[in-house]
Amino acid sequence: DTAVSQTPKYLVTQMGNDKSIKCEQNLGHDTMYWYKQDSKKFLKIMFSYNNKELIINETVPNRFSPKSPDKAHLNLHINSLELGDSAVYFCASRRQGAGGNTIYFGEGSWLTVV
Amino acid sequence: SQQGEEDPQALSIQEGENATMNCSYKTSINNLQWYRQNSGRGLVHLILIRSNEREKHSGRLRVTLDTSKKSSSLLITASRAADTASYFCATEGGNEKLTFGTGTRLTIIP
Repeated sequence: DTAVSQTPKYLVTQMGNDKSIKCEQNLGHDTMYWYKQDSKKFLKIMFSYNNKELIINETVPNRFSPKSPDKAHLNLHINSLELGDSAVYFCASRRQGAGGNTIYFGEGSWLTVV
Repeated sequence: SQQGEEDPQALSIQEGENATMNCSYKTSINNLQWYRQNSGRGLVHLILIRSNEREKHSGRLRVTLDTSKKSSSLLITASRAADTASYFCATEGGNEKLTFGTGTRLTIIP
């Protein structure tokens, strides 16, 4: 039983394309996140949603648009992909108002832009 | 700039030895957490220590926190080959945003 699942796991695409990564959590959590991990393993938060509302929006190009159809899903759509977008994207979730509680991560989506 | 920085960046030890990793951060925190990432996998939560705590144990893990020095350490005792992974500290402030450090890559040599 996967707690946080994201698809696809691997994605290779050409520059300029538009792609989406889907994320679902079955933990009943209210807060979901997208993190980006670069080639140096540095992990940085991109977005945070709480009950389908955007809470955190770090300095991310507006080519990246998160969409939360319900609190169990947070998808990431990327327009006009660039070489620098190549990274591993992690979805995560935790309970609302759960400062200090565990964040559960998905297995990651490896995006390669060629 | 990033909140946490781990030291060392990479660590190789013999199986059975203890491994110590350090994390330094810059601003005040509510808590600090340690995560493990196996190669090609997501991050897994290991342990959380709150700002009013100084030490915490979980199995073979021991975490210390010194808020005056803005630093934390993770000790893994009696290391095993399965402990080979990258370890990240993450700090959480008042906005509940978790900010990750740069990670320590630990290799346990059988």
